[in-house]
Amino acid sequence: KAGVTQTPRYLIKTRGQQVTLSCSPISGHRSVSWYQQTPGQGLQFLFEYFSETQRNKGNFPGRFSGRQFSNSRSEMNVSTLELGDSALYLCASRQGKESPLHFGNGTRLTVT
Amino acid sequence: GQQLNQSPQSMFIQEGEDVSMNCTSSSIFNTWLWYKQDPGEGPVLLIALYKAGELTSNGRLTAQFGITRKDSFLNISASIPSDVGIYFCAGTQAGANNLFFGTGTRLTVIP
Repeated sequence: KAGVTQTPRYLIKTRGQQVTLSCSPISGHRSVSWYQQTPGQGLQFLFEYFSETQRNKGNFPGRFSGRQFSNSRSEMNVSTLELGDSALYLCASRQGKESPLHFGNGTRLTVT
Repeated sequence: GQQLNQSPQSMFIQEGEDVSMNCTSSSIFNTWLWYKQDPGEGPVLLIALYKAGELTSNGRLTAQFGITRKDSFLNISASIPSDVGIYFCAGTQAGANNLFFGTGTRLTVIP
């Protein structure tokens, strides 16, 4: 079974631009979550989607948004990029609410 | 967010030695999970714990869900070079589906 797939692996953007990251969950998993990982803050929860609906949201500004499609694939968007948005963005999927998360290898975003 | 205190922050051990790391919180958790992250990759699930007192093994790895539900530990026996990486504890609380992560333990195994 293929794991969680994230594209692209690397991105370089400049301040003020916007970016869209993509995630394909493990087949059969309907829940997709997004996390931001930085050396200073560690792993922080962004949001979770289930059946195309946002189920839970972390403490990030409105510049960070996401969506999920009917095939469970998900995208996250960051608008008006800031230098501090440079991070590894990790997507994770799971089968149900009580199931553990399985992570992709992330998209490394660098904002210059 | 919820604070999970993970210790130690880093460890340098000789190949063949056993390793122990733990995670504590001031709040109760319903599940405890342990992940390992290698450079350039996402965290990989090692062990999931769902009940207070539960002790679960996965090969050379053993983890326990603390009786108070506020802590968990991970043991690695007979360490090998490929155990190198960052180990994260994570947990979920009642009423919240998202995972809270510990700050990680960086393990270095000296051959």
